This record gives sequence, structure tokens and C-alpha cells, in this order.
Amino acid sequence: EVQLVESGGGLVQPGASLKLSCVASGFTFSDYWMSWVRQTPGKTMEWIGDIKYDGSYTNYAPSLKNRFTISRDNAKSTLYLQMSNVRSEDTATYYCTRGDGPWGQGTLVTVSS
Amino acid sequence: DIVLTQSPVLAVSLGQRATMSCRASQSVSISSINLMHWYQQKPGQQPKLLIYRASNLASGIPARFSGSGSGTDFTLIIDPVQADDIAAYYCQQSRESPYTFGAGTKLELK
Repeated sequence: EVQLVESGGGLVQPGASLKLSCVASGFTFSDYWMSWVRQTPGKTMEWIGDIKYDGSYTNYAPSLKNRFTISRDNAKSTLYLQMSNVRSEDTATYYCTRGDGPWGQGTLVTVSS
Repeated sequence: DIVLTQSPVLAVSLGQRATMSCRASQSVSISSINLMHWYQQKPGQQPKLLIYRASNLASGIPARFSGSGSGTDFTLIIDPVQADDIAAYYCQQSRESPYTFGAGTKLELK
């Protein structure tokens, strides 16, 4: 069974950094592009970016490119999202997705002092 | 960025047909490939892929769901609507980065 499990969310202060993880199982992780998508409390969906199966290429939403970094460790079947200088508007549920179907259950990030 | 416009709410009766639209601010098609996808999201759950490339049913999705369209106008149809289909439905384009989503259509019972 294909599974994606995100972790690393929580309450974080404005200006801080946070790293989210997504552990994949049930498929050959290194064969797939992977993406991060977030959903605000108001239910707006925003594509954050994606990464090529071997990690050699990344693509970001321009509005997030300077603060967010996507990486992966294929040996650990894990996708990462490094968030820096977080703002209140980054408060959202963060999902990893394989794009051709499976999504994780999401991890909630709340940015507040 | 490509803007996707969806109607916020659609009210339907059980057993009837639900037709939802998604209009793009520019074409999301390349030749005959229509890079529009549809997701269903129930409260408290992650989105689930229903339709990919405008008209292809994702794995495990019932045949009462169908999609059509090309260029800038796309449609998701549920026929007949069942109680389990009450959810929010989002379209997403992958024609041009950033791969934007619509604001979603909330399917409600009439």
C-alpha cells in the first residue's frame, strides 16, 4: 500500500526555521517526482514546488522560492521541506504528494508569537 | 500565474447529476493533452485525485465521476450523486508553473 507520512509541523515563531519530512513507503520512491502543497485554514490550496526523482532539479512557486527549499534522500525514501524566515501567512497544513495520486495526511504548521 | 475559477457552491439532490466547472485564465492544453486535474476533499481528510488530464479516471474512483474539457473550460460531472460525494472539489493545472489550484466548489445537498 502506498503511504506518505508527513511530520515536523507545530507551533513556530515568526522568523524561525522549520524542516518538514515526508516518509514514503509502498513504492519505489526514487522513481517519482514529488511535490509539496499547502492548504491554508481558509482552505486555499497552494502548490509549493516539486523535485525530480533523483533530486537533480527543483521547481518552486516564485512567491516561496527565496524561503523554501525542497530536498530528498532516496536512500531513506524521504522528502523534505526546509522553511526559513516563516511568516504568519505560512500557517497551513502541508502535504506531500506523488502527483499521480497519493497524498499524505498533512502536517499542520502554525506561525505565531 | 494561471488563474482557475470555480463556483463556490453547488447544491444538488441525491441521485441527480452534479456538474462543476473550472475555467482557466489561459489554455492549459498542449496539443491534445489537457493538463487539468480534479481532486475531492472531505472534511478532515487530505485531497484525493479523481480525474487526471481532464478526462482520465484515477485508480479506484467510481465510474459515476467523469471529466471533460479542453483549452480553458473544464467540467467535472458526478452522476448520480451519492451521499458520500458531499465534499469540496478542486481543479489544478499542470500546464505552467506554478501549478495553481482553483478555490474549490463545495458540493452540498439541496
